[in-house]
Amino acid sequence: SAVISQKPSRDICQRGTSLTIQCQVDSQVTMMFWYRQQPGQSLTLIATANQGSEATYESGFVIDKFPISRPNLTFSTLTVSNMSPEDSSIYLCSVVRGQDRNTEAFFGQGTRLTVV
Amino acid sequence: AQSVSQHNHHVILSEAASLELGCNYSYGGTVNLFWYVQYPGQHLQLLLKYFSGDPLVKGIKGFEAEFIKSKFSFNLRKPSVQWSDTAEYFCAVTRYSSASKIIFGSGTRLSIRP
Repeated sequence: SAVISQKPSRDICQRGTSLTIQCQVDSQVTMMFWYRQQPGQSLTLIATANQGSEATYESGFVIDKFPISRPNLTFSTLTVSNMSPEDSSIYLCSVVRGQDRNTEAFFGQGTRLTVV
Repeated sequence: AQSVSQHNHHVILSEAASLELGCNYSYGGTVNLFWYVQYPGQHLQLLLKYFSGDPLVKGIKGFEAEFIKSKFSFNLRKPSVQWSDTAEYFCAVTRYSSASKIIFGSGTRLSIRP
């Protein structure tokens, strides 16, 4: 298994401000993933955070809005920039461990963001 | 690109009824398939996963899923549901390789009447 710690667990932010979410994994992983789960909806992949290179963003997500850092193999941050109420969501950090049959995704507890 | 479709948005059943939740995926290569459950206010938990071999996969809490390659399906089943099965269920797919991103379906909300 993997232990993933996310901070903060929740926050209430003002429109137009930015919030940086931290994700710490208990051991080294090649890729870390950032998801968004909007109220009552599924998980949508925002980007893949690669160590030593720029993050890879999914369609509909851009670096200016969601800058990501990946300074080492156990840590990543996601910033939600210039927030609006539409950004209110749960943001989740995830890693995938193992190979073949042992492959499994592990998730942090999430950051519940409310933008007012 | 990979995608996952879950046909049922909200399913309501009585206790002891049988359950089947549909999941279809779109990807031309070899895939790994998952079902996750999210109980109210809790994190995602892995119910079961398929990688290769026997297409009928058994998971925790009496759940099972069948991989039908020709139909690109991975439906979740349970013979007799309980009130405690009330939750959101997500089907997910990833390419058959390590550390590949996981794509989730839209989810199915399951409500069980006591």
